[in-house]
Amino acid sequence: AQSVSQHNHHVILSEAASLELGCNYSYGGTVNLFWYVQYPGQHLQLLLKYFSGDPLVKGIKGFEAEFIKSKFSFNLRKPSVQWSDTAEYFCAVKEYGNKLVFGAGTILRVKS
Amino acid sequence: DTGVSQDPRHKITKRGQNVTFRCDPISEHNRLYWYRQTLGQGPEFLTYFQNEAQLEKSRLLSDRFSAERPKGSFSTLEIQRTEQGDSAMYLCASSSTTASGNTIYFGEGSWLTVV
Repeated sequence: AQSVSQHNHHVILSEAASLELGCNYSYGGTVNLFWYVQYPGQHLQLLLKYFSGDPLVKGIKGFEAEFIKSKFSFNLRKPSVQWSDTAEYFCAVKEYGNKLVFGAGTILRVKS
Repeated sequence: DTGVSQDPRHKITKRGQNVTFRCDPISEHNRLYWYRQTLGQGPEFLTYFQNEAQLEKSRLLSDRFSAERPKGSFSTLEIQRTEQGDSAMYLCASSSTTASGNTIYFGEGSWLTVV
């Protein structure tokens, strides 16, 4: 079964700093990869997804992620964070049966 | 709001009691999922339905847990004889096999506290 590792559990940044959140999954083959975000008091929302094609995926709110097959990685990036990006971010991989396997999450706090 | 809705949002129950959570998926979504999330962890898959058929159950779903989706629309998750270890957020999600990308949409979750 797949497993997903997110490297940092807590990240604190100042506004306008660049963001990169690491995500690695455990084994290869065809994978569908996702980043979800959970803002305080809200439900999980899809930020972006990768199914195939261009390994650089652009999502909502200026986020992007790069799929690197050789490294089993799908890192999330944003060039300049805002206070409103404060949230918990989850990386996930779709396994057989259409279920998602999630990482433990990274809590991002952006200082204004 | 036509998203996934869950009820109740919060439930406090005494150990040994039974609890039931309800999920209403996005209209016409044929797949429905239940996940559990504890503090400091990501959501863990429990079970999923395609229409009214329960197609997969996780080993996390002990005999005390039962889920149904009788008419292929809303679903219920019942926990019998609750234990303190059942305290968690129970998330429902839905998706459509006919929609492009097959994105899974989550509800706001039902918090369970067992005292």
